[in-house]
Amino acid sequence: DAMVIQNPRYQVTQFGKPVTLSCSQTLNHNVMYWYQQKSSQAPKLLFHYYDKDFNNEADTPDNFQSRRPNTSFCFLDIRSPGLGDAAMYLCATSATDTTILRETQYFGPGTRLLVL
Amino acid sequence: AQKITQTQPGMFVQEKEAVTLDCTYDTSDPSYGLFWYKQPSSGEMIFLIYQGSYDQQNATEGRYSLNFQKARKSANLVISASQLGDSAMYFCAMREAYTGTASKLTFGTGTRLQVTL
Repeated sequence: DAMVIQNPRYQVTQFGKPVTLSCSQTLNHNVMYWYQQKSSQAPKLLFHYYDKDFNNEADTPDNFQSRRPNTSFCFLDIRSPGLGDAAMYLCATSATDTTILRETQYFGPGTRLLVL
Repeated sequence: AQKITQTQPGMFVQEKEAVTLDCTYDTSDPSYGLFWYKQPSSGEMIFLIYQGSYDQQNATEGRYSLNFQKARKSANLVISASQLGDSAMYFCAMREAYTGTASKLTFGTGTRLQVTL
């Protein structure tokens, strides 16, 4: 089945130690998104890739970076994690070849990040 | 102003009963799409149903239907014949007109549904 895969499902890191979360997809979608979701809150968009073009949200801290080496993979790098970065990180994909308003985002299972 | 409002932080429903989760939205754009997602405790956001602003009929997907009242700007999710597996967080989201490289979703704060025996 076509899907969005995130690894690892759980990640523990130390305060200030760089960490990378990965996302892959077999849907061949051209747009990939990274969201941060804290407990009992709505997901917050950090950035997205439209093909190879990177689009950062205005309020995303510089501590968060992303890479998309090819269509299938996208990485979220947190350069110096703080305690406030502990959250669920969700990757999503969509295809812009569908009717624009109907363009649906499909999410991966998420990575829960714990910062010690 | 909030664009998506979900006023029910938590809801209970008995198994096999129907339940309505409320969602109101605010937009001045005539073209928009409305989505509902389910998020179980495992964390994955699962797409449930979509309603377009120009759709004449309410969307239905199996046990899920969307009660779309455009004039009232509401898009309530109706789950019929609730099952224990429906216990989850439910998010309403809206996409407004395409203005950039990819149209984005605005999420509500969610409603936690608990299905009881």
